[in-house]
Amino acid sequence: AQTVTQSQPEMSVQEAETVTLSCTYDTSESDYYLFWYKQPPSRQMILVIRQEAYKQQNATENRFSVNFQKAAKSFSLKISDSQLGDAAMYFCAYRSLFGNEKLTFGTGTRLTIIP
Amino acid sequence: EADIYQTPRYLVIGTGKKITLECSQTMGHDKMYWYQQDPGMELHLIHYSYGVNSTEKGDLSSESTVSRIRTEHFPLTLESARPSHTSQYLCASSEPGGVGSPLHFGNGTRLTVT
Repeated sequence: AQTVTQSQPEMSVQEAETVTLSCTYDTSESDYYLFWYKQPPSRQMILVIRQEAYKQQNATENRFSVNFQKAAKSFSLKISDSQLGDAAMYFCAYRSLFGNEKLTFGTGTRLTIIP
Repeated sequence: EADIYQTPRYLVIGTGKKITLECSQTMGHDKMYWYQQDPGMELHLIHYSYGVNSTEKGDLSSESTVSRIRTEHFPLTLESARPSHTSQYLCASSEPGGVGSPLHFGNGTRLTVT
């Protein structure tokens, strides 16, 4: 079974600075998808960015980018030019191409933006 | 703005009551999911559906049941609520196009059983 580990329960960053959230995972599969989801307080969870394992190029979405290290099974999220609206719980998730296609989530990192 | 709707947002109910958590989506997605989320912990899949009349149990054992009579509707029912059922329940649907397609989540129902 796959597992996803987020070792930073909480992080904080000054507004306009850059922050990196860590995520590691364990799997025996060679192809899969990885995601970062954002859950603002009392609001719905939304997709931030996704990465397919067979693509070596790191995904980028505006101020959000990932550092995908397949051999190390690491998938960190970098947020540049942090904004107050980035404050949220961030969940790293793994999705297998097999079985019920479920998302396996990490325990989340609570990101605080300091004005 | 949510295009997958969950009601109620908050529910406080006594032990032994029967409850149904509603989930509806307007996107025509076939795949739908129920996740249970405890504070400070990851989400666990408790039920999923690939389409009408298809329901399966997820990885986390749950005493709840689900039904999928219509594509847009995926309610979750607890026949007899217990304090151990206190949690947040998130409903989600998946865009067509394979495993890489993102999930759309509802706002969740925070259930407290006293």
